[in-house]
Amino acid sequence: QSALTQPASVSGSPGQSITISCTGTSSDVGSYNLVSWYQQHPGKAPKLMIYEVSKRPSGVFNRFSGSKSGNTASLTISGLQAEDEADYYCCSYAGSDTWVFGGGTKLTVL
Amino acid sequence: QVQLQQWGAGLLKPSETLSLTCAIYGGSFRGYYWTWVRQPPGKGLEWIGEINHRGSTNYNPSLKSRVTISVDTSKNQLSLNLTSVTAADTAVYYCARYGAWDGVAANDYWGQGTLVTVSS
Repeated sequence: QSALTQPASVSGSPGQSITISCTGTSSDVGSYNLVSWYQQHPGKAPKLMIYEVSKRPSGVFNRFSGSKSGNTASLTISGLQAEDEADYYCCSYAGSDTWVFGGGTKLTVL
Repeated sequence: QVQLQQWGAGLLKPSETLSLTCAIYGGSFRGYYWTWVRQPPGKGLEWIGEINHRGSTNYNPSLKSRVTISVDTSKNQLSLNLTSVTAADTAVYYCARYGAWDGVAANDYWGQGTLVTVSS
């Protein structure tokens, strides 16, 4: 069970769109539509932003969207805002009643 | 509003046992799976394991030999025990709710986190 692969960092200017990738294998991301994304500000607990690949919990802005193709899931944030600057983690069901997280991506809003 | 409040010893010596408790307030305990996740300083999240109200557990294979997660349904609490800790177990430990019972197949509510440091 290896961690999912995310870019270490991404950046964008206010108003722009960015996409964070999350690459797994055919045993996790590729086999299940159970990918979620979490936002984490420094010193805070993670916050659920996307679940089941593309669904948004109530209260999460529609600037956040998720998708999946093959073994890679993606989180897209449109209309970047300063408060979006945070770490983002993907998570996938990995079979056999286990879950695996990605290594995390630091988003910088320029 | 569901709230998760966690506590436990923050400083351990190598070979000791880590023990944390997480209490659930403002929501049902039954029907959900409850998760433990940890985060070493400056690093990413790691899924430790989960338990439901019946005591059915699932663990990360890499930690399975040292981890025990248990529940006390009379108190709406879950606990984490991790034996034979080393410096590599130094992390912030979080409890979280897996919300599939409400149709959200992810961890939708989180505790505040507890920093556990292992040092001689």
